[in-house]
Formats: sequence, C-alpha cells, structure tokens
Amino acid sequence: DVKVTQSSRYLVKRTGEKVFLECVQDMDHENMFWYRQDPGLGLRLIYFSYDVKMKEKGDIPEGYSVSREKKERFSLILESASTNQTSMYLCASSPSTGGNQPQHFGDGTRLSIL
Amino acid sequence: GDSVTQMEGPVTLSEEAFLTINCTYTATGYPSLFWYVQYPGEGLQLLLKATKADDKGSNKGFEATYRKETTSFHLEKGSVQVSDSAVYFCAGVSGGTSYGKLTFGQGTILTVHP
Repeated sequence: DVKVTQSSRYLVKRTGEKVFLECVQDMDHENMFWYRQDPGLGLRLIYFSYDVKMKEKGDIPEGYSVSREKKERFSLILESASTNQTSMYLCASSPSTGGNQPQHFGDGTRLSIL
Repeated sequence: GDSVTQMEGPVTLSEEAFLTINCTYTATGYPSLFWYVQYPGEGLQLLLKATKADDKGSNKGFEATYRKETTSFHLEKGSVQVSDSAVYFCAGVSGGTSYGKLTFGQGTILTVHP
C-alpha cells in the first residue's frame, strides 16, 4: 500500500513565524500535492509538483511556497504565518504513468496560528 | 475547465437505510472518476474508482457506475451502518497535461444513527 506521511498531526504556531509542513511518500510517485481544507470550502489546491525541483501554483498559492529537492519529499512553507492560515493541510501523491490515477492522501496536519 | 457537482448535504439516515449521493462531472474528455471518504480527524481514503464508461467501482458495500451519457457517478449503498458516518468526496481527473490534478466536489457529510 502507498504510504503518505505528514510530519505532524497537530501544530500550533504564532503569527509571523515561518512554518514548515513536511510530507513524504514511499511509492516513487512523480506527482505530489498540497491542499488546505476548510469547513464549507472543500479542498483547495495550494501547490503541486510533477517532478523534482518542479512546482506549479494551484488555486490559492498566496502566502505559501513549496520545496521539492527529493522525489519522495514535498514541503509546504508558510513564509510568515497569519491567523487566516489556520486550517487542515493535506498532502497527496500520485504516479504519472498508467493512465489517470487516483491520489493517495496523508492523515493531514491540523495547523493553528495564534 | 473541469467541474464536479456533488449532492449537497448533510445527509442523515438511520442504520440499514439505503444511501445515494449524486455526482456529475463536466470535462472536455473522458475522465477517471473516484469516490473518497474522510473519517473524522483523518485524511482522505480512496473508496472506489472507475476509469472508463460503464465501469462499476465497488468497495465495502459501496458501488458507483460511470454513466457516459450523463457523466454521472452516483454513490450507493444498500444498507448503511453507523461506522459509515463520514464525509464523502466525488472527484475526477482528466488525462493530457493535467499532472494528475483532481477536481473535487464540495463533499457530503453523512451521519448514520443507530
């Protein structure tokens, strides 16, 4: 089974801090994704990556950046955390071969910015 | 662009009732379609999938058939249990250069009472 591991289940940070959320997958997938999930808004794509060092903006990239230095790891960075970034963050991965493949999700990180 | 329209919730049922959650997908091509389930405090899990017209996906008593003429992918279960209480997401992915980006519905909250 595919395993997508997010480094923290719960995280509390302060306004203005630089925050790193880490995600690792063990299936050699090319594609990796970061979403945030808020009540009433569903899942919104922040950034995605289709290869090492490659990244593309999703629907809501403002206030975020990403890093993909190794194929298995995709980091989400909040440059200067703000209270409106309090949310559930979900990481996912999928292969690029074999047709239209589903994404596999981690358990999520519930981030609170105080 | 692609879009997914999902039956709005919340849906409340008694145990052993029949479940239907409607989903329709609009795309330029013929996407692969998925149902994901999210239990409280967890990430999304792939419930079932269909990759072409007339495919039927099934898992844990849930079923969905990809209807080409209506691009619908309605989720059904004949007899729900309390443990099925969760949020259900319909999603699709098209080929080409989408890099595996999923288009999600807004999610349907299902609550099953004993």
